[in-house]
Amino acid sequence: KAGVTQTPRYLIKTRGQQVTLSCSPISGHRSVSWYQQTPGQGLQFLFEYFSETQRNKGNFPGRFSGRQFSNSRSEMNVSTLELGDSALYLCASNGQGRKNTQYFGPGTRLTVL
Amino acid sequence: EDKVVQSPLSLVVHEGDTVTLNCSYEVTNFRSLLWYKQEKKAPTFLFMLTSSGIEKKSGRLSSILDKKELSSILNITATQTGDSAIYLCAVDEREGGSEKLVFGKGTKLTVNP
Repeated sequence: KAGVTQTPRYLIKTRGQQVTLSCSPISGHRSVSWYQQTPGQGLQFLFEYFSETQRNKGNFPGRFSGRQFSNSRSEMNVSTLELGDSALYLCASNGQGRKNTQYFGPGTRLTVL
Repeated sequence: EDKVVQSPLSLVVHEGDTVTLNCSYEVTNFRSLLWYKQEKKAPTFLFMLTSSGIEKKSGRLSSILDKKELSSILNITATQTGDSAIYLCAVDEREGGSEKLVFGKGTKLTVNP
């Protein structure tokens, strides 16, 4: 099975712009979670989508949003970018079930100038 | 305050040494504890622990959960330079059907030849 894919891998934006990141989960996985990783805060949960519905949300401002499509692919959007949004954004897919766990994609490195 | 705390934050050892990494947690709806290894980008899954006292083992790595002490350890014996990485501990905090991973800040392990 192909792993989790994320595009783009690297992105440079300026303050005030918006950005959209994409994640394709492992085939058959319906749950997609997004995380932000920074040196100071570590890995922090953004939100989880399952069957096109947001099931859970972390403590991030409304500038961070996401959606999931019927093929389970997910996008996250960050509007009005701030310098502090510079981070590695990781997506993880989960096949559900008690024995399943989350498998991470390679991430998108976002730099805000 | 942090719900998942890892110690030490960094560790430098020589090849052949044995290391023990610690993770303590405090979450309301505990489902499982997971260990990941992060070398460059995507964290890769190592272990998922759900039951207290049962050791999970994979080669030179092993881990055990203590639900009474709300903690887990990850042991690496006969370390190799390829073990150099950030080791992440995460707790699956289940809310309803949703899965949310709460991560510690990680332990950065450096194995010198």
